[in-house]
Formats: sequence, C-alpha cells, structure tokens
Amino acid sequence: EPEVTQTPSHQVTQMGQEVILRCVPISNHLYFYWYRQILGQKVEFLVSFYNNEISEKSEIFDDQFSVERPDGSNFTLKIRSTKLEDSAMYFCASSERLAGVDEQYFGPGTRLTVT
Amino acid sequence: AQTVTQSQPEMSVQEAETVTLSCTYDTSESDYYLFWYKQPPSRQMILVIRQEAYKQQNATENRFSVNFQKAAKSFSLKISDSQLGDAAMYFCAYRSAQGGSEKLVFGKGMKLTVNP
Repeated sequence: EPEVTQTPSHQVTQMGQEVILRCVPISNHLYFYWYRQILGQKVEFLVSFYNNEISEKSEIFDDQFSVERPDGSNFTLKIRSTKLEDSAMYFCASSERLAGVDEQYFGPGTRLTVT
Repeated sequence: AQTVTQSQPEMSVQEAETVTLSCTYDTSESDYYLFWYKQPPSRQMILVIRQEAYKQQNATENRFSVNFQKAAKSFSLKISDSQLGDAAMYFCAYRSAQGGSEKLVFGKGMKLTVNP
C-alpha cells in the first residue's frame, strides 16, 4: 500500500541554522500538509498546499517557514533560522482531493531537535 | 476557533474486552467531520474511523464504532474484542466542512495499552 515517507527521521540542528524537512507524498495525491507536535502537546496544523501554492496556513506558520514542491515527488518544509521552540515532531500528510471526508495520509514524522 | 479535548491521557484494556475512548469538541459550526486516528509506536498515524456531522447514524468499521452525540459535542470511540495490535496512541480530530478549510484540529491523544 502506498505510504507517505519523510526524511530524515531525526534531525539535530543548532539554533539559528536553516533546516529542510523532506516528504514524499503518495504519488496521485494533490493536496499536501505539514503538522507539528511539540512534546506533550497537541498535533497542530501548520500549512496546506495545492497547485503549487499555499491554500491555508496557521498563525504558527510565520515568515520563518516556507514550503515548496521542487519536483514532481518531493514536498519540503524549510525553517529559515531555527529557534529552540521549533523542536518538535513534524508530520507531513497528503490527500487525494479537498472535498468531503477526504482522508489525510500521514508520514511517520521527522523529529527536529534544536540545540 | 474549534477545540478538541481528550481528557484521558492513558487507558488500558484486557485483550478481548471492550474499551471506550472519549472525545469532546467545541465548535459553533453545524457541518463538520470527526475522525479517530491511531498511531502505533514508531509508525505513522492511520485513520480508524470518520463521521460526518450531518449523519445521525453512528459510523462503524469492523470492531470500531463511534457514539456521536452532536448536541453534547461528544465523539467517543468503542473498540470491541480488543487485540494486542490495538495498542497505540489514539487521536480524535475535527475538520470543518465550511469555508474550504482542510486543516485537522487534534486532541492531545490517548495512549491505549492492551494487556494479554
């Protein structure tokens, strides 16, 4: 069964550094998402992406964050200058279409540790 | 803004027994969707069951069923004949059906342990 994959599984970076988290959505999916979960807290929506542009973003998704679909398979989340509070599990998800009870398929996550 | 609350951080159940996971939510919308996701250890979240708010009938998927109480804004998950493979984190989630929003709003999750 097709799955969403994410790399790396764990990323350690120093405060102020740029990081790029990578995701390969399911191949026929058109909608892509990033969520994050700070340890002990809820999974929070960051951004959704369709047709090469952001369709929705949360207040967490400020100018430090950007997303890109650089080719036909990858979907990336870039954090420009990481802060300690960016340490979290980052989940990528994809779905086939927007309408109705469309299922979002999640990747296994990337654990980002900012030191 | 919508919120989802899972008040029980952990539960345990004996294999073959039935367990109910609770979830409440707050919204001013009348049309929305509710989901239960399961996340086994070190694995991705997978959808267990979904419910459209306009449907009065409770959703069922094999051993999984929900008790959807729209007026009470309650959405509990019942797992019958619990199996060892049901051990996981369970997340309740809400999605608006209005305004084209795609985002899922999650609860904090609940860790289910299944004892042999």
